[in-house]
Amino acid sequence: DAGVTQSPTHLIKTRGQQVTLRCSPKSGHDTVSWYQQALGQGPQFIFQYYEEEERQRGNFPDRFSGHQFPNYSSELNVNALLLGDSALYLCASSQDRASYEQYFGPGTRLTVT
Amino acid sequence: AQSVTQLDSQVPVFEEAPVELRCNYSSSVSVYLFWYVQYPNQGLQLLLKYLSGSTLVESINGFEAEFNKSQTSFHLRKPSVHISDTAEYFCAVSGSAGGSYIPTFGRGTSLIVHP
Repeated sequence: DAGVTQSPTHLIKTRGQQVTLRCSPKSGHDTVSWYQQALGQGPQFIFQYYEEEERQRGNFPDRFSGHQFPNYSSELNVNALLLGDSALYLCASSQDRASYEQYFGPGTRLTVT
Repeated sequence: AQSVTQLDSQVPVFEEAPVELRCNYSSSVSVYLFWYVQYPNQGLQLLLKYLSGSTLVESINGFEAEFNKSQTSFHLRKPSVHISDTAEYFCAVSGSAGGSYIPTFGRGTSLIVHP
């Protein structure tokens, strides 16, 4: 049983560019959440997707957007990249939006230069 | 609003010594509490959780944590650490009602086990 998978593993972008990160949830899970983990910090909640809609959102600007597909996989898009967007982006899936237990992927390391 | 404070950013300890990683939280509602572990270049893994019932919870690899409501704490302990326990540990809190189970994480404590 594959756990949560994310791609790519690493990514280097330039300020002002746009980036798309991808996530496939654990088998049987239909809810996907995205987190940003800056160096030396704990993960910060970006948003959660369920039934292809954004259900909850953390304190992140509109430059951060997402999408969920019918197969429950998800994308995180970040526009107009800033140096401060450099971080590890974690995807987590859960059995449903009312589940407290989340399973995390290995993350995508984004570096903005 | 919820918040988590992990009082130590780094805890060095020798192998086979006991360790305690401290976590305090604040919340205006009933909570679920979690400890996650993050090994280098990996995502977070759930180590243990408190949902309800017994205030002492244990993991399969010898860690335990005790929920103390009066002190709003959920400290993580292990009586004898191993080199392989070297990792980043995150304490997290979520509400236990109202449908919002999004966890709030602390800044993490780096456990460094020396031989």
